Amino acid sequence: DIQMTQSPSTLSASVGDRVTITCRASQSISTWLAWYQRKPGKAPKLLIYKTSSLESGVPSRFSGSGSGTEFTLTISSLQPDDFATYYCQQYSSYWTFGQGTKVEIK
Amino acid sequence: EVQLVESGGGLVKPGGSLRLSCAASGFTFSSYTMSWVRQAPGKGLEWVSFISNHNKYIYYADSVKGRFTISRDNAKNSLYLQMNSLRAEDTAVYYCARGRQPTDSDAFDFWGQGTMVTVSS
Repeated sequence: DIQMTQSPSTLSASVGDRVTITCRASQSISTWLAWYQRKPGKAPKLLIYKTSSLESGVPSRFSGSGSGTEFTLTISSLQPDDFATYYCQQYSSYWTFGQGTKVEIK
Repeated sequence: EVQLVESGGGLVKPGGSLRLSCAASGFTFSSYTMSWVRQAPGKGLEWVSFISNHNKYIYYADSVKGRFTISRDNAKNSLYLQMNSLRAEDTAVYYCARGRQPTDSDAFDFWGQGTMVTVSS
């Protein structure tokens, strides 16, 4: 099974900050990686698929990069609506999620 | 508008059974793969099961293999999860999710709001 490890688990930041979340796979997953945003009481929202492709309607301040085993999600300028929990997901072999990164207000 | 609405959750005793349903609307259901994903209290997201658009491919997580059965009725725009031999560790919110492309491996672009399953005596 492919394990996904996110860091950090919690991130404190201010509006306007540049934020980076890292996701590591236990083995190479090429670029078969997605990122989701999750807010309390709401369904997860797909932000990015295939490592760097922005889902329709997602603001351009979100971007993704990486390949193989190391990936990043970057929010270029954090907005009030972005305080949430973010999950990475590999879909190279079945589907596995990272444990999540909570982005909270500093 | 794409909508996925889960139902069928509830309280069940260990060893019991439950059948979850997911009603889809706003898209051509038969053209998309579907999955079930769960989130236990205080835990992260866990993929549970996948079914391709015409039932050709079905996959399960090891944690539910042999106990859960996924199925779909394209004529009724519905996805199901039959859960047998339930355990306390199956307690979670269960979500149905749509595959972004009709391949057997892609991200999930739409999710339902979830239905809670509690396994407790």
